[in-house]
Amino acid sequence: TQLLEQSPQFLSIQEGENLTVYCNSSSVFSSLQWYRQEPGEGPVLLVTVVTGGEVKKLKRLTFQFGDARKDSSLHITAAQPGDTGLYLCAGHPGGGADGLTFGKGTHLIIQP
Amino acid sequence: DTGVSQDPRHKITKRGQNVTFRCDPISEHNRLYWYRQTLGQGPEFLTYFQNEAQLEKSRLLSDRFSAERPKGSFSTLEIQRTEQGDSAMYLCASSSRAKNIQYFGAGTRLSVL
Repeated sequence: TQLLEQSPQFLSIQEGENLTVYCNSSSVFSSLQWYRQEPGEGPVLLVTVVTGGEVKKLKRLTFQFGDARKDSSLHITAAQPGDTGLYLCAGHPGGGADGLTFGKGTHLIIQP
Repeated sequence: DTGVSQDPRHKITKRGQNVTFRCDPISEHNRLYWYRQTLGQGPEFLTYFQNEAQLEKSRLLSDRFSAERPKGSFSTLEIQRTEQGDSAMYLCASSSRAKNIQYFGAGTRLSVL
């Protein structure tokens, strides 16, 4: 059983459409991070959410942390081909400084 | 700040050989982490160091895996007697104590033939 469940696993949409991907858990996280990874490269940090109910915006990307700090979502407005990649959520269940627990990721393809 | 650097980027080896990967963290970061990522999965935590101390190693996949960070700067991950199942991307990340946010290198892609 994955501690962090991401959905959908795969998503292919047309340029200009909006989309939302989800990261859910039955455990409480002190914070969650969202990373984007391109093939053959390491994950690149997009955002960290810390406070329950927090909303952070990064240009066309909107990240939300659930009130109970067990889930998070990423919404992309007017998707562009450059948004294509693997979107990973990660966190430390219950806090801590050791390794991150990652979800399996959402593979996103934006078709021109 | 040159980011986290990993070497080599790609490694092809024959089954049974030993391999060693190197990671240079961001210079002011005292924490260093190793992960493995297989196809279709998110990264899986293996071990981490604070300065030269290895604080967690129970998640290393077998006793064929070992890691060192002798002077608290760069780190090496060694896999002895490689098996085909070791084929994966090996990722290194670093963070500072003040800001517990991990920044990743580009990874080393290992192929065991």
